[in-house]
Amino acid sequence: GESVGLHLPTLSVQEGDNSIINCAYSNSASDYFIWYKQESGKGPQFIIDIRSNMDKRQGQRVTVLLNKTVKHLSLQIAATQPGDSAVYFCAENLGSNSGYALNFGKGTSLLVTP
Amino acid sequence: SQTIHQWPATLVQPVGSPLSLECTVEGTSNPNLYWYRQAAGRGLQLLFYSVGIGQISSEVPQNLSASRPQDRQFILSSKKLLLSDSGFYLCAWSGRIFMNSPLHFGNGTRLTVT
Repeated sequence: GESVGLHLPTLSVQEGDNSIINCAYSNSASDYFIWYKQESGKGPQFIIDIRSNMDKRQGQRVTVLLNKTVKHLSLQIAATQPGDSAVYFCAENLGSNSGYALNFGKGTSLLVTP
Repeated sequence: SQTIHQWPATLVQPVGSPLSLECTVEGTSNPNLYWYRQAAGRGLQLLFYSVGIGQISSEVPQNLSASRPQDRQFILSSKKLLLSDSGFYLCAWSGRIFMNSPLHFGNGTRLTVT
């Protein structure tokens, strides 16, 4: 399904700046969200997750914000580095009826320039 | 620690030939297992998931099938490949104890059908 989508297909930022990647979802019953990073030729790598009973969660240099009112999710990367260049996907859990599989959006390509 | 293996990494097959992609997980028991396909520059499409040996659920009707002969082995097959089967195939697992948990992906198989 395409209930998870991204506002921008590409994002270019300068090294050291903060990056913000946005995501909208349409299923108000979704209760678990994940951000993945995918480098070329590799499988998606887990970055951070958040449950619907939270509105913010922080990791190392990353923060995920969840706004359930407008069904919006964002990933903030602090002090972006060249190694952060990749495609970023948000995903929502499909629940028990789908074996707790994830539904992915199309992805945002992040390019970090020196 | 848990690891997931997919092979082969790349595969070129002619139209009409059979397909068998294998995925194995180590370091965990009773995982949920998943097959996804990713078209170039696109998000991930869920193909199959399995919550136990011999239990396969298909998300989209297509030319592919899946099997789970052992707890930590997941196989994706086709009797006759189509050009449209080309893509990047990703296997993933998740822990069944925590139902809302991340999927962990292998590094995928790049399939080109010629």
